[in-house]
Amino acid sequence: NAGVTQTPKFQVLKTGQSMTLQCAQDMNHEYMSWYRQDPGMGLRLIHYSVGAGITDQGEVPNGYNVSRSTTEDFPLRLLSAAPSQTSVYFCASSYGTSWSYTFGSGTRLTVV
Amino acid sequence: QQQVKQSPQSLIVQKGGISIINCAYENTAFDYFPWYQQFPGKGPALLIAIRPDVSEKKEGRFTISFNKSAKQFSLHIMDSQPGDSATYFCAASPLELGGTSYGKLTFGQGTILTVHP
Repeated sequence: NAGVTQTPKFQVLKTGQSMTLQCAQDMNHEYMSWYRQDPGMGLRLIHYSVGAGITDQGEVPNGYNVSRSTTEDFPLRLLSAAPSQTSVYFCASSYGTSWSYTFGSGTRLTVV
Repeated sequence: QQQVKQSPQSLIVQKGGISIINCAYENTAFDYFPWYQQFPGKGPALLIAIRPDVSEKKEGRFTISFNKSAKQFSLHIMDSQPGDSATYFCAASPLELGGTSYGKLTFGQGTILTVHP
């Protein structure tokens, strides 16, 4: 039981490049979310999913795409990286009635 | 806009002291208030949570106090230990079980707690 697994742990991108941050959970959780963490800003919700095939925008969705083809996976795609997307990204998942999110260990992304 | 405001940004406490972190929210639809603890290089982990039908919840040395009329809630850490040194986040969410807003946690800005031995 690995919990929530995020890859890669570190990434450096050039402005304009695209990439996918991977997130997988093995707990059969319905709810999955992507957050970004910036100093003094807390964690801000990017995109959200209540189950396979269903996604929703969070507070800061611009520049990011998501899809949820399976219960286990919830990848986050950066379409054209910008320096403003330099951040630490966290994926989290939750079982419907547990009210408790399990977070991954994060991906530290730097856009130069 | 920041819907959940957390203070202070940083806090230094001596071992054995009481650490108090405060949060205030604006959205009256919020009805689930968790606190998360984050150690360097790790993801946040749920510490304790409260619903507004109670004014206080205690788990070991950690207590949440909730004031619905003032739209404020706080975390108290009794007998603070160096191992409690971490970043603490309050959060809030509407609790529509099975609904599309469930689990859309809105986080505060975070408080860096340092407990000196």
